[in-house]
Amino acid sequence: KQEVTQIPAALSVPEGENLVLNCSFTDSAIYNLQWFRQDPGKGLTSLLLIQSSQREQTSGRLNASLDKSSGRSTLYIAASQPGDSATYLCADDGADGLTFGKGTHLIIQP
Amino acid sequence: KAGVTQTPRYLIKTRGQQVTLSCSPISGHRSVSWYQQTPGQGLQFLFEYFSETQRNKGNFPGRFSGRQFSNSRSEMNVSTLELGDSALYLCASSFRMTGEGYGYTFGSGTRLTVV
Repeated sequence: KQEVTQIPAALSVPEGENLVLNCSFTDSAIYNLQWFRQDPGKGLTSLLLIQSSQREQTSGRLNASLDKSSGRSTLYIAASQPGDSATYLCADDGADGLTFGKGTHLIIQP
Repeated sequence: KAGVTQTPRYLIKTRGQQVTLSCSPISGHRSVSWYQQTPGQGLQFLFEYFSETQRNKGNFPGRFSGRQFSNSRSEMNVSTLELGDSALYLCASSFRMTGEGYGYTFGSGTRLTVV
């Protein structure tokens, strides 16, 4: 059974910094990987999807990479802004549904 | 285009009652999956429906059930509510089935409180 770990659980950084969020999987046979953000009390917003044949995806200031051999994914956020404050979740999209990590709670200090 | 619509947004029920939650997926999407989110367990997969058929189910008791209609709208039902069922219930819409790499769009969720 796939288990997903996200490190760190919480992170607080000043505005403008570049940062990296980490996600690791116990089963490296990852189908597809999706990163989401969740604002307090809200649903999930999709950020990036890395399909099984891909290794990374970029959208604006966000870049996500997937290394299947090590069972790890990273989400890179460039030039962080206060509006980036949220919980970030990674999920393995397997045949039995999405398996989520517990998330990284990110605070960007103005 | 319209997103994923979940109704109601908030619900308060008493232990022992049953509840039905609704999810309307993005137009053209045939897969609807449901997730339960709690502070202790995080996000957990409940089940997925594709073309009116349940494809798979997570590790939840039989009190949790669902169905999907021909227009792809889905309902989730929880019978004999327990305090531990208090959670945010999220549905996700996708063009294809889980594992096929089309990604998911989530609704805003239904916050269920059992008292």
